[in-house]
Amino acid sequence: SYDLTQPPSVSVSPGQTARITCSGDALSKQFGHWYQQKPGQAPVLVIYKDSERPSGIPERFSGSSSGTTVTLTISGAQAEDEADYYCQSLDNSGTYLFGTGTRVTVL
Amino acid sequence: EVQLLESGGGLVQAGGSLRLSCAASRFTFGNYAMGWVRQAPGKGLEWVSSISGDGDDTYYGESVKGRFTTSRDNFKNTLFLQLNSLRAEDTAVYYCAKGDGYKFVEWFDPWGQGTLVTVSS
Repeated sequence: SYDLTQPPSVSVSPGQTARITCSGDALSKQFGHWYQQKPGQAPVLVIYKDSERPSGIPERFSGSSSGTTVTLTISGAQAEDEADYYCQSLDNSGTYLFGTGTRVTVL
Repeated sequence: EVQLLESGGGLVQAGGSLRLSCAASRFTFGNYAMGWVRQAPGKGLEWVSSISGDGDDTYYGESVKGRFTTSRDNFKNTLFLQLNSLRAEDTAVYYCAKGDGYKFVEWFDPWGQGTLVTVSS
């Protein structure tokens, strides 16, 4: 079972904004982190500590947090952003939690 | 650029064992906690195990506790995952990933390319 819930899919037109939510009680106490995974590839960290962006990640990726929900926003989505996105956090026993995953389609 | 290269995956019968390796380079391996995450075919990500930079502290997901063992050799810059008593549901791509700190991982970055473990029943 999963303790972090994401919408299964999000569709966005090129150049528009996509928002992906991740909800779970753990997020009220712990940071949320986001990974992008393209088909056949390993996951890549795109946001850490709710809203920090690693070097090399485009500025169109941003993150925010409120209560038990973290949100990944892709502003000005591009075709190359089509991928699965997973949130990740920790529960209070130190177990790592991954979200259910969201397929982002740019069309 | 950090490099992580997994190996050791393959086809094994249920009840069997495998040992996965993850060769790390281009960073000071012993200064970072590391983790293993797996992904069953067509499914999401599942955390398997983590280990502190000195190897003294190890953590396991409930589904593998008592069957899998993670270790590291800081002289050889290599992370290991020993998989015992394998079950069909352990079939997955296994990724190693670098943690953000020394004692504990909060997030994983970067990840290796993964190695496929297939358990036949």
